[in-house]
Amino acid sequence: QSALTQPASVSGSPGQSITISCTGTSSDVGGYNYVSWYQQHPGKAPKLMIYEVSNRPSGVSNRFSGSKSGNTASLTISGLQAEDEADYYCSSYTSSSSGSVFGTGTKVTVL
Amino acid sequence: EVQLVESGGVVVQPGGSLRLSCAASGFTFDDYAMHWVRQAPGKGLEWVSLISWDGGSTYYADSVKGRFTISRDNSKNSLYLQMNSLRAEDTALYYCAKEYGDDDNAFDIWGQGTMVTVSS
Repeated sequence: QSALTQPASVSGSPGQSITISCTGTSSDVGGYNYVSWYQQHPGKAPKLMIYEVSNRPSGVSNRFSGSKSGNTASLTISGLQAEDEADYYCSSYTSSSSGSVFGTGTKVTVL
Repeated sequence: EVQLVESGGVVVQPGGSLRLSCAASGFTFDDYAMHWVRQAPGKGLEWVSLISWDGGSTYYADSVKGRFTISRDNSKNSLYLQMNSLRAEDTALYYCAKEYGDDDNAFDIWGQGTMVTVSS
């Protein structure tokens, strides 16, 4: 049950778009459309931003979008805002445990 | 208001045991699978365990299999995590989380977490 691989950090200027990758295997990301993304501000619980690869829960800004190609999922934040500065984690169903596996996490910095 | 409230986190010695609880309110508890997720200080999220809506199916991360047991009491809207043979590496903030839909492995409601420290 190795963690999914994410870049440690991504940065961008206000108004720009950034993309965070999440790489797994055919036993998790590549094999199922059960990839979700979470935003976590310091000292706070994670917040669901994307589920089932590309769906947004009610109340989540449409500046957040998700996609998947092969064993790699991606989260794109468009029109970057100061409030988007946070840690982001991907997660996927994994057949190795029939549970979940999280990514290593990405710190997003708004320059 | 939809809410999850964890409790039971304390400082415990290596090899010790502990039971965490999670009280749910504001939604139909027995309609949803539930999870435990942990986060070591300064580290990332780690999935720990899953229990189906009726408690009939349970799953664990390899790191806790054989030591931790997840359970639920739908009559009390409560989720539990029995933790045995605790190790220093189990030190973390433990969150309970509600599954968003039907077996979609997405977590839409999280508690505030309860801190478990394993230290002599």
